Amino acid sequence: AQSVTQPDIHITVSEGASLELRCNYSYGATPYLFWYVQSPGQGLQLLLKYFSGDTLVQGIKGFEAEFKRSQSSFNLRKPSVHWSDAAEYFCAGGGTVNDMRFGAGTRLTVKP
Amino acid sequence: NAGVTQTPKFRVLKTGQSMTLLCAQDMNHEYMYWYRQDPGMGLRLIHYSVGEGTTAKGEVPDGYNVSRLKKQNFLLGLESAAPSQTSVYFCASSEQGVTEAFFGQGTRLTVV
Repeated sequence: AQSVTQPDIHITVSEGASLELRCNYSYGATPYLFWYVQSPGQGLQLLLKYFSGDTLVQGIKGFEAEFKRSQSSFNLRKPSVHWSDAAEYFCAGGGTVNDMRFGAGTRLTVKP
Repeated sequence: NAGVTQTPKFRVLKTGQSMTLLCAQDMNHEYMYWYRQDPGMGLRLIHYSVGEGTTAKGEVPDGYNVSRLKKQNFLLGLESAAPSQTSVYFCASSEQGVTEAFFGQGTRLTVV
């Protein structure tokens, strides 16, 4: 069955440090992949998406993600974290509307 | 620029009561979705619609009904609420399937 796994429930990084959030997927073919961010009390906002082509995808707010087929991964990265990046991050993937799956989320805390 | 609006934002129900959650979008999107978000489980699709007058079951449809009488509105109904339906409910819309989804701010429902 298709699934999306985010192994890290909670990550803490210092402001200015680099960030990598992990996402692994299990799917029969290459799925469409997404990263969303959710601030407290808000809905989800799309950071970036991968459909095909270049495996390094640029998104908003300085985020990027790399699709690695051999590792079934789509990790999110940012070179220098800002305090405003503290939020919950969700990876999602699937091939159709009905088989889109979300990971459980990774909560990011940013230390001053 | 409203985007996706959900009402109400908070609600407490007694077991067995019924209620309807309203979702409205002003982006002329064809696709609309209802998700529930539970701790440690990410978002799960309840029902979705691919256009006015259509509805389809998602991953967790039991106990819920939906209607899409107008393109801009997508209603989620609970006929007889159960404590297991305590959750945060998100509505979303997209131009097409498996593209960027735009989310509302959520409805926090507690069933006691």
